[in-house]
Amino acid sequence: DIQMTQSPSSLSASVGDRVTITCRASQSISNYLNWYQQKPGKAPKLLIYAASSFQSGVPSRFSGSGSGTDFTLTISSLQPEDFATYYCQQTYSTPYTFGQGTKMEIK
Amino acid sequence: QVQLVQSGAEVKKPGASVKVSCKASGYTFTSYDINWVRQATGQGLEWMGWMNPNSGKTGYAQKFQGRVTMTRNTSISTAYMELSSLKSEDTAVYYCAKIGSLSYPLHYWGQGTLVTVSS
Repeated sequence: DIQMTQSPSSLSASVGDRVTITCRASQSISNYLNWYQQKPGKAPKLLIYAASSFQSGVPSRFSGSGSGTDFTLTISSLQPEDFATYYCQQTYSTPYTFGQGTKMEIK
Repeated sequence: QVQLVQSGAEVKKPGASVKVSCKASGYTFTSYDINWVRQATGQGLEWMGWMNPNSGKTGYAQKFQGRVTMTRNTSISTAYMELSSLKSEDTAVYYCAKIGSLSYPLHYWGQGTLVTVSS
């Protein structure tokens, strides 16, 4: 199975900050990397797919990059509604494993 | 618009089985795989498996092999996930999700179904 390692596990930041979350795969996954946002009590929401493609309706402050084994999700200017947990997921090969999540909290 | 509507919460005893449904609308049900993901309280997301609604072909995570069965009824655009020999560790919210294009992301998600396993 491909292991996905996210860092950091938690992040304390302020509104307006630029933040970056990283995701590392245990082997090359090309660009089969997706990012999700989850708020408490809600289903995850797709933000970025194929490493850098925006899901329709996602604000432009979110961006994704990377290929192979190393990927990043960047939020250029944090907004109050962005405080949530973020997950990466590889869909290169089954089982389609998730990272352990990054919980973003208000500083 | 695409919607996935799941069945309601369930309470089961250890050793029992549970069957969760996921009714799709707003797209051609047989054109996109359905995946199932679960999440224990306060924990991360765990991928369980996939089903092709057109062929009925399935693939399961090794952890659930022998205990999970994913099926569908194309006449009512509904997917099902049945988990047997339930244990307390299976207490979680179970989600169905429709696969998208390109990198097969989980494009649309159901609202989740809480399954509680307790004696």
